[in-house]
Amino acid sequence: EAQVTQNPRYLITVTGKKLTVTCSQNMNHEYMSWYRQDPGLGLRQIYYSMNVEVTDKGDVPEGYKVSRKEKRNFPLILESPSPNQTSLYFCASSWGLANEQFFGPGTRLTVL
Amino acid sequence: TQLLEQSPQFLSIQEGENLTVYCNSSSVFSSLQWYRQEPGEGPVLLVTVVTGGEVKKLKRLTFQFGDARKDSSLHITAAQPGDTGLYLCATPAGGTSGSRLTFGEGTQLTVNP
Repeated sequence: EAQVTQNPRYLITVTGKKLTVTCSQNMNHEYMSWYRQDPGLGLRQIYYSMNVEVTDKGDVPEGYKVSRKEKRNFPLILESPSPNQTSLYFCASSWGLANEQFFGPGTRLTVL
Repeated sequence: TQLLEQSPQFLSIQEGENLTVYCNSSSVFSSLQWYRQEPGEGPVLLVTVVTGGEVKKLKRLTFQFGDARKDSSLHITAAQPGDTGLYLCATPAGGTSGSRLTFGEGTQLTVNP
């Protein structure tokens, strides 16, 4: 089954404790991206990757890092999480920017 | 970054009613995607419109792309409770190589039985 998986689905952590949210897709897509979704602000792109070893900042990259060492994986790293990063995070993949984005199920992160 | 304005922000209607939601921008869209997001899930693509004036139908949903490609609308006929969800429009825009995808804030639709 074609899908995008994210782990964990739910995470509660404390300020400053490094964490990684994993994202994996099995569709051989080249384009992958991370979004955060907040009430009243909609979906905002954090980082995106057009291919292996090619990543670029989205609209809200501060406080986040990503890597794309393999085509299928695109982890999101929070080196020192802060409460304002409490949000619902989605990973997505597609053949290209103008193509259908396939979203993962989301990761609800709470930073205390 | 191209800004997308969606209206209304919230819409609550009774089963069987018709409704229209809108997605507008001051800039021309290269293409526009409409997604629906249900609670606890990621958005799912409904349709992509590319050509000015284009109309696409998906069962009871009708999508229209403005002639000038600066606006789009989604019309639902005889809404059902299963149509409840967050409707999002998105367009490629911005970035060093035009490679970002920008979403509107969405229209939260509730269809009451």
